[in-house]
Amino acid sequence: DIVLTQAPLSVSVTPGESASISCRSSKSLLSSKGITSLYWYLQRPGKSPQLLIYQMSNLASGVPDRFSSSGSETDFTLKISKVETEDVGVYYCGHRLEYPLTFGSGTKLEIK
Amino acid sequence: EVQLVESGGGLVQPGRSLKLSCLASGFTFSNYGMNWIRQAPGKGLEWVASISSSSSYIYYADTVKGRFTISRDNAKNTLYLQMTSLRSEDTALYYCARREMDAWGQGASVTVSS
Repeated sequence: DIVLTQAPLSVSVTPGESASISCRSSKSLLSSKGITSLYWYLQRPGKSPQLLIYQMSNLASGVPDRFSSSGSETDFTLKISKVETEDVGVYYCGHRLEYPLTFGSGTKLEIK
Repeated sequence: EVQLVESGGGLVQPGRSLKLSCLASGFTFSNYGMNWIRQAPGKGLEWVASISSSSSYIYYADTVKGRFTISRDNAKNTLYLQMTSLRSEDTALYYCARREMDAWGQGASVTVSS
């Protein structure tokens, strides 16, 4: 199974500053079709997860462009520019390269 | 508006069964593969099962294989998860989500306890 390791466990950010979250995969997430199967999700407190980023670097519909993602085949970074209070929650990376699908353990973003 | 609404959760004794449903609306359900994903209290996300649009392809996590069955009725726009031989470790909030995980339901709570 593909293991996704997120860091840090939690991050505390002053509004207006930036935050970065790392996700490392135990296996290349580059598919035979040339797509990098890495996804980012945000779960706000008490809410269902929502898709932020698909295929490593594509912004999901309705997601502000303060969110961006980049990486290689195994190392990925989610960057949140100009953090706002609404960005509070737990961020998960996940893949859809093969079954079983797996998720990282999550990174909690808090506001200072 | 895309909507996924789970139902059927509840409190059940270990070893018993429960069936969850997920009613889809706002999109052509029969065109999309679907997933069940669960989240134990205070824990992270765990993929449970996936089914293709026509039910041709079905996949399960090892933790539920042989006990859970995913199915769908495209005429009723509904996804199902039949859960048998339930264990305490199956206690979780169960979400249905579209294949691309760009849409999630609000979750159905399942508690397995005597």
